[in-house]
Amino acid sequence: KQEVTQIPAALSVPEGENLVLNCSFTDSAIYNLQWFRQDPGKGLTSLLLIQSSQREQTSGRLNASLDKSSGRSTLYIAASQPGDSATYLCAVYQAGTALIFGKGTTLSVSS
Amino acid sequence: GAGVSQSPSNKVTEKGKDVELRCDPISGHTALYWYRQSLGQGLEFLIYFQGNSAPDKSGLPSDRFSAERTGGSVSTLTIQRTQQEDSAVYLCASSSQRGGAEQYFGPGTRLTVT
Repeated sequence: KQEVTQIPAALSVPEGENLVLNCSFTDSAIYNLQWFRQDPGKGLTSLLLIQSSQREQTSGRLNASLDKSSGRSTLYIAASQPGDSATYLCAVYQAGTALIFGKGTTLSVSS
Repeated sequence: GAGVSQSPSNKVTEKGKDVELRCDPISGHTALYWYRQSLGQGLEFLIYFQGNSAPDKSGLPSDRFSAERTGGSVSTLTIQRTQQEDSAVYLCASSSQRGGAEQYFGPGTRLTVT
Protein backbone atom coordinates (compact mmCIF):
# COMPACT_ATOMS: atom_id res chain seq x y z
CA LYS A 1 0.00 0.00 0.00
CA GLN A 2 1.40 3.37 -1.05
CA GLU A 3 2.27 5.75 1.75
CA VAL A 4 3.32 9.36 1.31
CA THR A 5 5.25 11.17 4.01
CA GLN A 6 6.09 14.86 4.19
CA ILE A 7 8.83 16.31 6.34
CA PRO A 8 8.84 18.63 8.15
CA ALA A 9 5.23 18.91 9.31
CA ALA A 10 5.73 22.63 9.97
CA LEU A 11 8.36 25.17 9.03
CA SER A 12 8.90 28.81 9.98
CA VAL A 13 11.38 30.96 8.07
CA PRO A 14 12.14 34.67 7.69
CA GLU A 15 11.29 36.39 4.44
CA GLY A 16 13.86 35.98 1.70
CA GLU A 17 15.11 32.58 2.73
CA ASN A 18 15.34 29.70 0.27
CA LEU A 19 13.73 26.53 1.55
CA VAL A 20 13.13 22.89 0.69
CA LEU A 21 10.08 20.78 1.46
CA ASN A 22 10.45 17.02 1.35
CA CYS A 23 8.12 14.28 0.21
CA SER A 24 8.77 10.54 0.19
CA PHE A 25 6.69 7.64 -1.08
CA THR A 26 7.01 3.92 -0.50
CA ASP A 27 6.04 2.51 -3.91
CA SER A 28 8.03 3.85 -6.86
CA ALA A 29 5.47 2.63 -9.43
CA ILE A 30 3.83 6.01 -9.88
CA TYR A 31 2.48 7.79 -12.95
CA ASN A 32 3.14 11.26 -11.62
CA LEU A 33 3.61 13.40 -8.55
CA GLN A 34 1.76 16.63 -7.91
CA TRP A 35 2.50 19.45 -5.47
CA PHE A 36 -0.39 21.53 -4.16
CA ARG A 37 -0.83 24.59 -2.02
CA GLN A 38 -3.72 24.96 0.40
CA ASP A 39 -4.58 28.22 2.14
CA PRO A 40 -6.61 28.04 5.38
CA GLY A 41 -10.25 27.25 4.67
CA LYS A 42 -9.64 26.97 0.95
CA GLY A 43 -9.34 24.25 -1.64
CA LEU A 44 -6.16 22.98 -3.28
CA THR A 45 -4.21 24.89 -5.89
CA SER A 46 -2.00 22.82 -8.15
CA LEU A 47 1.57 24.12 -8.22
CA LEU A 48 3.56 21.60 -10.23
CA LEU A 49 2.99 18.22 -11.84
CA ILE A 50 5.95 15.96 -12.54
CA GLN A 51 5.41 12.97 -14.79
CA SER A 52 7.23 9.77 -13.83
CA SER A 53 9.59 10.17 -16.80
CA GLN A 54 10.62 13.67 -15.71
CA ARG A 55 13.22 14.74 -13.18
CA GLU A 56 12.00 18.24 -12.39
CA GLN A 57 9.57 21.01 -13.14
CA THR A 58 9.90 24.73 -12.58
CA SER A 59 7.36 27.50 -12.21
CA GLY A 60 8.56 30.92 -11.19
CA ARG A 61 10.26 30.67 -7.80
CA LEU A 62 9.22 27.04 -7.42
CA ASN A 63 11.23 24.01 -8.51
CA ALA A 64 10.12 20.45 -7.89
CA SER A 65 12.35 17.45 -8.38
CA LEU A 66 11.51 13.77 -8.58
CA ASP A 67 13.74 10.78 -7.91
CA LYS A 68 11.38 7.91 -8.54
CA SER A 69 13.87 5.15 -7.80
CA SER A 70 14.50 6.44 -4.30
CA GLY A 71 10.88 7.46 -3.74
CA ARG A 72 11.60 11.12 -3.11
CA SER A 73 10.52 14.53 -4.28
CA THR A 74 11.51 17.98 -3.12
CA LEU A 75 9.83 21.34 -3.56
CA TYR A 76 12.30 24.21 -3.57
CA ILE A 77 10.99 27.71 -2.92
CA ALA A 78 13.40 30.53 -3.69
CA ALA A 79 13.38 33.90 -1.97
CA SER A 80 10.36 33.10 0.20
CA GLN A 81 7.69 35.76 0.78
CA PRO A 82 4.96 36.11 3.44
CA GLY A 83 2.42 35.31 0.72
CA ASP A 84 3.98 31.85 0.43
CA SER A 85 2.60 30.99 3.87
CA ALA A 86 0.27 28.02 3.39
CA THR A 87 0.16 24.25 3.67
CA TYR A 88 1.98 22.41 0.90
CA LEU A 89 0.73 18.97 -0.04
CA CYS A 90 2.46 16.30 -2.07
CA ALA A 91 0.43 13.59 -3.83
CA VAL A 92 1.26 10.65 -6.06
CA TYR A 93 -0.87 9.03 -8.73
CA GLN A 94 -0.69 5.31 -9.43
CA ALA A 95 -2.47 3.27 -12.07
CA GLY A 96 -6.02 2.44 -11.09
CA THR A 97 -6.13 4.74 -8.07
CA ALA A 98 -6.77 8.33 -7.22
CA LEU A 99 -4.20 10.69 -5.74
CA ILE A 100 -2.58 9.56 -2.50
CA PHE A 101 -1.65 12.51 -0.33
CA GLY A 102 0.88 13.25 2.32
CA LYS A 103 -0.28 15.16 5.38
CA GLY A 104 1.41 18.34 4.28
CA THR A 105 3.98 20.84 5.46
CA THR A 106 2.62 24.04 6.97
CA LEU A 107 4.90 26.92 6.01
CA SER A 108 5.01 30.27 7.76
CA VAL A 109 7.11 33.05 6.28
CA SER A 110 7.58 36.07 8.52
CA SER A 111 8.28 39.58 7.27
CA GLY B 1 -12.41 29.53 -17.99
CA ALA B 2 -14.44 28.39 -14.99
CA GLY B 3 -12.80 26.03 -12.56
CA VAL B 4 -14.34 23.27 -10.48
CA SER B 5 -17.23 24.54 -8.41
CA GLN B 6 -18.87 22.99 -5.38
CA SER B 7 -22.01 23.75 -3.43
CA PRO B 8 -22.86 24.46 -0.77
CA SER B 9 -19.64 25.94 0.59
CA ASN B 10 -20.77 25.19 4.12
CA LYS B 11 -23.37 22.79 5.45
CA VAL B 12 -24.45 22.28 9.04
CA THR B 13 -26.77 19.37 9.65
CA GLU B 14 -28.14 17.40 12.55
CA LYS B 15 -26.98 13.89 13.23
CA GLY B 16 -29.16 11.39 11.39
CA LYS B 17 -30.12 13.69 8.52
CA ASP B 18 -29.18 13.08 4.88
CA VAL B 19 -27.06 15.59 2.96
CA GLU B 20 -26.23 16.12 -0.70
CA LEU B 21 -23.06 17.79 -1.90
CA ARG B 22 -22.69 18.98 -5.46
CA CYS B 23 -19.69 19.24 -7.78
CA ASP B 24 -19.50 20.90 -11.18
CA PRO B 25 -16.28 19.83 -12.91
CA ILE B 26 -14.36 21.77 -15.53
CA SER B 27 -16.19 21.51 -18.83
CA GLY B 28 -14.85 18.66 -20.94
CA HIS B 29 -13.11 16.87 -18.09
CA THR B 30 -13.98 13.20 -18.18
CA ALA B 31 -12.57 12.20 -14.79
CA LEU B 32 -14.12 13.36 -11.52
CA TYR B 33 -12.89 12.56 -8.02
CA TRP B 34 -14.27 13.03 -4.52
CA TYR B 35 -11.92 13.34 -1.55
CA ARG B 36 -12.47 14.00 2.14
CA GLN B 37 -10.22 16.08 4.37
CA SER B 38 -10.70 15.46 8.06
CA LEU B 39 -8.88 17.26 10.84
CA GLY B 40 -5.71 15.35 11.57
CA GLN B 41 -6.46 12.71 8.93
CA GLY B 42 -5.25 14.36 5.79
CA LEU B 43 -6.89 13.95 2.42
CA GLU B 44 -8.44 10.60 1.58
CA PHE B 45 -9.95 9.36 -1.65
CA LEU B 46 -13.64 8.49 -1.66
CA ILE B 47 -14.82 7.73 -5.21
CA TYR B 48 -13.98 8.49 -8.81
CA PHE B 49 -15.78 8.54 -12.13
CA GLN B 50 -14.18 8.15 -15.56
CA GLY B 51 -16.41 8.73 -18.54
CA ASN B 52 -19.12 6.10 -18.79
CA SER B 53 -17.21 3.46 -16.86
CA ALA B 54 -18.45 2.09 -13.56
CA PRO B 55 -17.20 4.31 -10.75
CA ASP B 56 -14.38 3.24 -8.44
CA LYS B 57 -16.07 3.23 -5.03
CA SER B 58 -13.20 1.65 -3.14
CA GLY B 59 -12.64 4.67 -0.91
CA LEU B 60 -16.17 5.06 0.40
CA PRO B 61 -16.05 4.57 4.19
CA SER B 62 -19.49 3.00 4.59
CA ASP B 63 -22.68 2.21 2.69
CA ARG B 64 -24.15 5.47 3.96
CA PHE B 65 -22.04 7.18 1.30
CA SER B 66 -22.98 7.15 -2.36
CA ALA B 67 -22.34 9.28 -5.41
CA GLU B 68 -23.66 9.67 -8.90
CA ARG B 69 -22.61 11.57 -11.95
CA THR B 70 -25.29 12.60 -14.37
CA GLY B 71 -24.57 13.01 -18.07
CA GLY B 72 -20.88 12.72 -17.48
CA SER B 73 -20.78 16.14 -15.87
CA VAL B 74 -22.26 17.19 -12.52
CA SER B 75 -21.76 14.86 -9.57
CA THR B 76 -23.64 14.56 -6.29
CA LEU B 77 -22.21 12.96 -3.17
CA THR B 78 -24.91 11.79 -0.77
CA ILE B 79 -24.37 10.94 2.86
CA GLN B 80 -27.30 9.23 4.55
CA ARG B 81 -27.97 9.24 8.29
CA THR B 82 -25.03 11.54 8.96
CA GLN B 83 -22.79 10.92 11.96
CA GLN B 84 -20.50 13.34 13.77
CA GLU B 85 -17.46 11.59 12.34
CA ASP B 86 -18.66 12.60 8.87
CA SER B 87 -17.74 16.20 9.70
CA ALA B 88 -14.99 17.17 7.26
CA VAL B 89 -14.25 19.15 4.15
CA TYR B 90 -15.37 17.31 1.03
CA LEU B 91 -13.30 18.18 -2.03
CA CYS B 92 -14.06 17.46 -5.64
CA ALA B 93 -11.48 17.36 -8.43
CA SER B 94 -11.59 16.83 -12.15
CA SER B 95 -9.04 16.01 -14.82
CA SER B 96 -9.01 15.78 -18.57
CA GLN B 97 -8.28 12.08 -18.85
CA ARG B 98 -7.79 8.94 -16.90
CA GLY B 99 -4.40 8.53 -15.33
CA GLY B 100 -1.53 10.95 -15.33
CA ALA B 101 -3.45 14.14 -15.93
CA GLU B 102 -3.31 17.07 -13.58
CA GLN B 103 -6.21 17.22 -11.15
CA TYR B 104 -7.95 20.52 -10.49
CA PHE B 105 -9.73 20.94 -7.20
CA GLY B 106 -12.83 22.83 -6.19
CA PRO B 107 -13.05 24.98 -3.04
CA GLY B 108 -14.70 22.22 -1.05
CA THR B 109 -17.81 21.86 1.07
CA ARG B 110 -17.31 22.08 4.82
CA LEU B 111 -19.77 19.69 6.46
CA THR B 112 -20.49 19.97 10.16
CA VAL B 113 -22.70 17.35 11.80
CA THR B 114 -24.08 18.45 15.17
